Amino acid sequence: GENVEQHPSTLSVQEGDSAVIKCTYSDSASNYFPWYKQELGKGPQLIIDIRSNVGEKKDQRIAVTLNKTAKHFSLHITETQPEDSAVYFCAAPLYNFNKFYFGSGTKLNVKP
Amino acid sequence: DAGVIQSPRHEVTEMGQEVTLRCKPISGHNSLFWYRQTMMRGLELLIYFNNNVPIDDSGMPEDRFSAKMPNASFSTLKIQPSEPRDSAVYFCASGKTSDTGELFFGEGSRLTVL
Repeated sequence: GENVEQHPSTLSVQEGDSAVIKCTYSDSASNYFPWYKQELGKGPQLIIDIRSNVGEKKDQRIAVTLNKTAKHFSLHITETQPEDSAVYFCAAPLYNFNKFYFGSGTKLNVKP
Repeated sequence: DAGVIQSPRHEVTEMGQEVTLRCKPISGHNSLFWYRQTMMRGLELLIYFNNNVPIDDSGMPEDRFSAKMPNASFSTLKIQPSEPRDSAVYFCASGKTSDTGELFFGEGSRLTVL
């Protein structure tokens, strides 16, 4: 199946700094790459996604970049705020949109 | 819309007991997924349904686990008999196969097997 690796497992930044989380995947046929945010006691929620026909997508303070050749994609959060503190997961599908494999998660701590 | 609804939110049971987790997907979604989350193994896909039909159950750990989707608005995940290693948070998620691929997760059912 798809092998999704995510780094780092924990990340601590000062409020206002940037945070970058990276993922690699193995299935070259994958063409959709979402990022989910999970707050304590809740289910993961989609925050941004990218398709393989573009290299970057931005939504206010968050952005995702994709390098299909190297098979990796990254989440960038700028001007971090305490409410950004959560666990972030990347995911990649196998064969189609239905079977998603998730990375192991990154616990982001934004210190005020 | 109320989102994906799961019940119970918390369950504590003793080893050997039967556990049934329930899920109501978002109306209009035709795909439903059961995930298990643990510290050691992260988010694991157990099974997914498309149009109420089980498509892939290769993630179901053992025969003790079974899942059903009798109609478009309800699914169950059953563990019989339960074991302490089944302790985890179980998430149900739904989506539209014709859409973006976004999964909408419920708030999870935290299971503790003593």
